Amino acid sequence: NAGVMQNPRHLVRRRGQEARLRCSPMKGHSHVYWYRQLPEEGLKFMVYLQKENIIDESGMPKERFSAEFPKEGPSILRIQQVVRGDSAAYFCASSTRTGGYEQYFGPGTRLTVT
Amino acid sequence: DQQVKQNSPSLSVQEGRISILNCDYTNSMFDYFLWYKKYPAEGPTFLISISSIKDKNEDGRFTVFLNKSAKHLSLHIVPSQPGDSAVYFCAASPPGGSQGNLIFGKGTKLSVKP
Repeated sequence: NAGVMQNPRHLVRRRGQEARLRCSPMKGHSHVYWYRQLPEEGLKFMVYLQKENIIDESGMPKERFSAEFPKEGPSILRIQQVVRGDSAAYFCASSTRTGGYEQYFGPGTRLTVT
Repeated sequence: DQQVKQNSPSLSVQEGRISILNCDYTNSMFDYFLWYKKYPAEGPTFLISISSIKDKNEDGRFTVFLNKSAKHLSLHIVPSQPGDSAVYFCAASPPGGSQGNLIFGKGTKLSVKP
């Protein structure tokens, strides 16, 4: 009964480095969503993907951030040239159908930029 | 501009009593609402949901009430248990659901005292 898996759980990067966050959805789920949570804030939507397609990236910063969900393998959220403001918890969720219905979250990756 | 608001950052109740967590929203077109529970250093866990065509949904100790005219929903936990101590997030699905994203409130931290 594997849930949504994310790795790494903790990631420390220096300013200017790249961060790669991975997410494996629940078995049978083909929809993946990425959210970011800043301290004392709620989760903010970033991007919604299906296999090989970006469906909605309206929450993604215009620069340095990208996401993919290839035919094989996990979904990747990539942050280039990280800055201190990127420090946050990044959560991945998956679901079986389109829309904002029940989404199941992974444990998150806590990114710290030093 | 917050579309989903949880105005109480924290709530403390005695074990065995009722916990009532509140959530207000601004967009009358939201068509689905969800509650998530989150423990520290973990991802949000789906708790209960309600469609906008209903005004109540019950699952064990958890009941969600929706008042569309007031754009308000609430989560009732009866009886409250110490293990319910967590941060509770209210989330809403944009109309049509095709966008895939959930819009979250900032959360309410519930403490259930033995």
